Amino acid sequence: AQKVTQAQTEISVVEKEDVTLDCVYETRDTTYYLFWYKQPPSGELVFLIRRNSFDEQNEISGRYSWNFQKSTSSFNFTITASQVVDSAVYFCALSEQPGYSTLTFGKGTMLLVSP
Amino acid sequence: GAGVSQTPSNKVTEKGKYVELRCDPISGHTALYWYRQSLGQGPEFLIYFQGTGAADDSGLPNDRFFAVRPEGSVSTLKIQRTERGDSAVYLCASSLDPTGELFFGEGSRLTVL
Repeated sequence: AQKVTQAQTEISVVEKEDVTLDCVYETRDTTYYLFWYKQPPSGELVFLIRRNSFDEQNEISGRYSWNFQKSTSSFNFTITASQVVDSAVYFCALSEQPGYSTLTFGKGTMLLVSP
Repeated sequence: GAGVSQTPSNKVTEKGKYVELRCDPISGHTALYWYRQSLGQGPEFLIYFQGTGAADDSGLPNDRFFAVRPEGSVSTLKIQRTERGDSAVYLCASSLDPTGELFFGEGSRLTVL
């Protein structure tokens, strides 16, 4: 069975601080896909990134970066120079299918960025 | 609009009643998904449609839950004999094809009193 653990329930930072959101996953498959989604107060989930299990290269997109480490089954997400607009709940998710259909989500980490 | 549309945005009902939640996917998206998100939890998969047929309904919790997509576009999630434990936000998502990125709606918040 697959499982995603986001141990941090809530994180509070001040604007311009860097913040890392942790994600640890469990799966028996050798091929799997990892995701991060952002859920602002409006409720819709916004896709941020998908990474397959064969690609351990870290990725950077603007102020966002992701660190995938198969050895520790972790897929952590860092926001550099956080902004108030980054305040949201962030979900890490796992799929054992190439598609996005049956995602297993973690419980989410609420990030509060204050001015 | 161009996004996934869900109605109603809020629904309050009494225990034992029947409820329908509607999802209008992005035009041209063949795949449609329903997820349920309870308070303080991540979304949980319910059912996935490819076209008109349910390709995977393994997430439906019991036979009180049923979903249809008769013309391969709009989908309706139907809940019979609602229970207080059914209270949650029901999220719909669509994708161009089964391997494509999911686009989520804002959800329908169901409260069962």
